[in-house]
Amino acid sequence: EVQLVESGGGLVQPGGSLRLSCATSGFTFSSYETSWIRQAPGKGLEWVSHISSSGRTIYHADSVKGRFTISRDNAKNSLYLEMNSLRAEDTALYYCAREGPRSHFDYWGQGTLVTVSS
Amino acid sequence: QSVLTQPPSVSAAPGQKVTISCSGSSSNIGNNYVSWYQQLPGTAPKLLIYENNKRPSGIPDRFSGSKSGTSATLDITGLQTGDEADYYCGTWDSSLSVVVFGGGTKLTVL
Repeated sequence: EVQLVESGGGLVQPGGSLRLSCATSGFTFSSYETSWIRQAPGKGLEWVSHISSSGRTIYHADSVKGRFTISRDNAKNSLYLEMNSLRAEDTALYYCAREGPRSHFDYWGQGTLVTVSS
Repeated sequence: QSVLTQPPSVSAAPGQKVTISCSGSSSNIGNNYVSWYQQLPGTAPKLLIYENNKRPSGIPDRFSGSKSGTSATLDITGLQTGDEADYYCGTWDSSLSVVVFGGGTKLTVL
C-alpha cells in the first residue's frame, strides 16, 4: 500500500524556520517525482515545490522562491521542505504528493499544519 | 487569483448530471495534460482524472474528463450525496514552469 506521512509542522513566529518531512512506503520512492502542495485554511490548493526522482531538477513557486528548499533522500525514502523567513501567509496544511508522468498527483499524504503567528 | 478559472460552486439533484469547467490558456491547458481532484470535507485531495480523461483504478465511470483547446471539463453523472466535495483542476504551465490549480468548485447535491 502506498503511504506518505508528513511531519514537522507546528507553530512558528514570523521570520522563523521549520523543516517538514514526508516519509514514504509501499513504492519505489527513487523512481518518482514528488511535490509539496499547501492549502491555507478555507482556501484552495497551491503548489509549492517539485523535485525530480534524482533530485537534480527542482522548481519552486514564486511565492516561496528564495525562502523554501525542497530536497529528498532516496536512501531513506523521504522528502523534505526547508522553510525559512516564514510569513503569516505561509500558514497552511502542507501535503506531500507523489507525481505521475504528466504532472498529476496520484497519492497524497494527510498533511501537516504550519501556523505562522506571533 | 488562480491561473485556472473554475466556477466557485455548482449544484444538482441526486441522480442528475453536473459539469465543472476549468478554463486556462495555451501555456497551461492548451499544451499540457489536465488532472482533476476531489476533496471531501476534512480529507486530503484524491486523484479523479489524469491525462485529461483517464481514471485511476477504483474511480467509477460516473466521473469523466475531457479537454478542448484551453478548457477542460469534469462531468459527474448519477450524482450521489457522497459526491459533495470540492473539485480542483490542475496542470503544468510551460511559461511559468509551475504546476497550477483552479480555485476549486464546491459541489452541492441538493
